[in-house]
Order: sequence, then structure tokens, then C-alpha cells
Amino acid sequence: NAGVTQTPKFQVLKTGQSMTLQCAQDMNHEYMSWYRQDPGMGLRLIHYSVGAGITDQGEVPNGYNVSRSTTEDFPLRLLSAAPSQTSVYFCASSYSDSPNQPQHFGDGTRLSIL
Amino acid sequence: AQSVAQPEDQVNVAEGNPLTVKCTYSVSGNPYLFWYVQYPNRGLQFLLKYITGDNLVKGSYGFEAEFNKSQTSFHLKKPSALVSDSALYFCAVRDGERGTYKYIFGTGTRLKVLA
Repeated sequence: NAGVTQTPKFQVLKTGQSMTLQCAQDMNHEYMSWYRQDPGMGLRLIHYSVGAGITDQGEVPNGYNVSRSTTEDFPLRLLSAAPSQTSVYFCASSYSDSPNQPQHFGDGTRLSIL
Repeated sequence: AQSVAQPEDQVNVAEGNPLTVKCTYSVSGNPYLFWYVQYPNRGLQFLLKYITGDNLVKGSYGFEAEFNKSQTSFHLKKPSALVSDSALYFCAVRDGERGTYKYIFGTGTRLKVLA
């Protein structure tokens, strides 16, 4: 039982490049989400999904796309990388969208945009 | 709208002393409150949650939290701090109102326990 797995762990991109951050969970969780963590700003929600085929925007969705074709996977796509997207990205999941469910986090992807 | 505030960027405490990390919140419906801990280069780990019932919630590693509805607070406490408790702590809130699906996190409080 691996929990929430994020790949890659580190990535350096040039401005304008695109890439996909991968997130997979093996706990059959319905709710999945992506956050970015920046110094002094805590975690900010980018996108979330309450089940396969259903996604919605969080607090800071601009410049990012998501899809949820399976329960297990929730990839985050950067369309055209900008230096402002330099951050640590965390994927999280919980059993359901019920508000009493805690989230399980991956170990993050550290992304630098040059 | 949901919001959560952690008023202290850093808390320093001597080993063996009690610790408190503060959190206040705002939600429209019933609050569902969580504390998480983050160690360097790791993701957040769940510590405890308040759903309903007793105002004092016990969690992992000897931590507990006190829910105060009138002050809209959910402070994290531990009777005797350990050096290994040094980490970044996040408070989070989820609004129980139907159709609300977002968790909102505070900005985090760095706890330093001094030997």
C-alpha cells in the first residue's frame, strides 16, 4: 500500500515549456486535490476532484489543467510554465468528499521554472 | 466564505514545557477542523480532527486540540514538548455546508522545541 505517489520529485523547466505532474493513489479514494506550497502562504488549492470524470477549480487555477479519467490518477498539467509557478506541489486524497475525512498527502514535487 | 488564520509564524518552547499553536477559523456552516504536521521534504501528515462532540480532541504523538465555538478557535496543544516535535504545523477547515468541497489551510506555524 503505497498511499499517494507523486512523480517526479524534482523538476527544472524553462519558461514556456509544458509538463505534467503525476499523482496516483492506491487507496480507492474518491476525493483528490492539488495544492501549491509557497513560503509564507501555506497551501493553496489549485484544482480538486470529487470522483472520476468530475473536476473543479480551487483558489489558484490559472495556468493549470487537470483531468480525472480514473479513480487512481489525477495529473496536473502546466500549459506554459512561468517563473511564478516555481513552487512545491502536493497531491492529496481522501476516502470521500465527506467533510469529516482527513487528507493523505504525497511527498511533493519541487518545481523550478527558469 | 471559509478562512483560517494562524497568527504566529513561529513558536519557540523549551523541551518539557507545554506548547500551544493557535488557529482561528470562519465558516458558513458547521466547521470541520484538522491539524497536520509537516517534516522537512515531506508531505503533510494528519494529526487530529474535530467533527462534533467533545471540545477536547486527542490525536497522534500526544497532541490534543481544544475547540472553542464562541471564539471560533481550534488551538493545538501538548502538555510536554519534545525536540522531535519541531516541525511546521498547519490548521485546516472544511465547511460542512452541503455542496462545499474545499479544504482551506492556514499559512502554517513553525514550532521549534529547544533542548
